[in-house]
Amino acid sequence: SAVISQKPSRDICQRGTSLTIQCQVDSQVTMMFWYRQQPGQSLTLIATANQGSEATYESGFVIDKFPISRPNLTFSTLTVSNMSPEDSSIYLCSVDSRGSTGGYTFGSGTRLTVV
Amino acid sequence: SQQGEEDPQALSIQEGENATMNCSYKTSINNLQWYRQNSGRGLVHLILIRSNEREKHSGRLRVTLDTSKKSSSLLITASRAADTASYFCAARSGNTPLVFGKGTRLSVIA
Repeated sequence: SAVISQKPSRDICQRGTSLTIQCQVDSQVTMMFWYRQQPGQSLTLIATANQGSEATYESGFVIDKFPISRPNLTFSTLTVSNMSPEDSSIYLCSVDSRGSTGGYTFGSGTRLTVV
Repeated sequence: SQQGEEDPQALSIQEGENATMNCSYKTSINNLQWYRQNSGRGLVHLILIRSNEREKHSGRLRVTLDTSKKSSSLLITASRAADTASYFCAARSGNTPLVFGKGTRLSVIA
């Protein structure tokens, strides 16, 4: 299965600023997924990132707030824009490297605190 | 939504005991997966059971699936302190992204 390097592992940011999270995969994958995990909660899918096309956002998430780039088949970034304390969460990228019959591989997560 | 819903939300057991977590989902699935998360880190894929399977084993893990009841269970036998983590189920249908349940927080006390 794929190995994902996610950066940064954690950050403390001022409200109103933006943070870009990077995920690098050691193999080419068609789709990458970005999830948010609010404190004590489960994972919520933010968007699916496909190479060469715009990301597909889930209900409640918009491109202006969470712009995503997918310049090639091994890399993606998620930006959390104009942050507020409510954006304090763990953000995770993942890939479905084994096809529809396998499990997802996750990055180690980015713990974001907005003050 | 085919979101999995786990119960219990939290479980505390003594080392050496077995831990059972349950998951229910709402729609037809291709497979059901279980993941572990340690201290807010990334999730680790534990085991996958296909819709045509009823039981699967992997080391100390045993997963069952009842598609007629749309439910699954994860059994961890002879638990260890290192098993302390949150456990999530996720139902998979076609190529749609995984949707995760709320999770069970397991504490294994040495």
